[in-house]
Amino acid sequence: EDQVTQSPEALRLQEGESSSLNCSYTVSGLRGLFWYRQDPGKGPEFLFTLYSAGEEKEKERLKATLTKKESFLHITAPKPEDSATYLCAGNNYGQNFVFGPGTRLSVLP
Amino acid sequence: EPEVTQTPSHQVTQMGQEVILRCVPISNHLYFYWYRQILGQKVEFLVSFYNNEISEKSEIFDDQFSVERPDGSNFTLKIRSTKLEDSAMYFCASRDDREVQGYTFGSGTRLTVV
Repeated sequence: EDQVTQSPEALRLQEGESSSLNCSYTVSGLRGLFWYRQDPGKGPEFLFTLYSAGEEKEKERLKATLTKKESFLHITAPKPEDSATYLCAGNNYGQNFVFGPGTRLSVLP
Repeated sequence: EPEVTQTPSHQVTQMGQEVILRCVPISNHLYFYWYRQILGQKVEFLVSFYNNEISEKSEIFDDQFSVERPDGSNFTLKIRSTKLEDSAMYFCASRDDREVQGYTFGSGTRLTVV
């Protein structure tokens, strides 16, 4: 069964305190590993797609990396506006997403 | 920037009633999806739709649910005889015919069944 897990469930950081979020996946026929940001009461907002082990993508303070079984979202010097739930999702052979439960990130000023 | 628009943003309905959730996908997109998220739980796939027919559906998408593209712009999810456990955020998404990174999600409809 396709499965995506994320850790930690919640993370509180001080502004400027860098950290990483983990995503472990077991998705048959994986076509891509996606990271989304979700703000309360909103739909997922696309951040990155990773297709092969060793790939890295960067956007502002965020960097996503991919291995054969895991992906990491590194947050460098976060700001309060980075507070959100970060969702990891595997896109499977059916071209649909299997989402993880998310990591709730709070960045305190 | 093009958006996926969903209406209403919040709907309250009595148990046993039928509801229709509406979505206007991005105009040149060809693939359409519905996902749901029960409060505090994962986003779950319901159904995908392409070329005027369902291309895939999950176990959640049983006979209680149906989708339709009644005209060139709208994409609807109908839930017949709603149950308390249907209360959730329902997200519509669409993408074009390029790779899946073209996915765009709407802001969702919060359905509350009382």
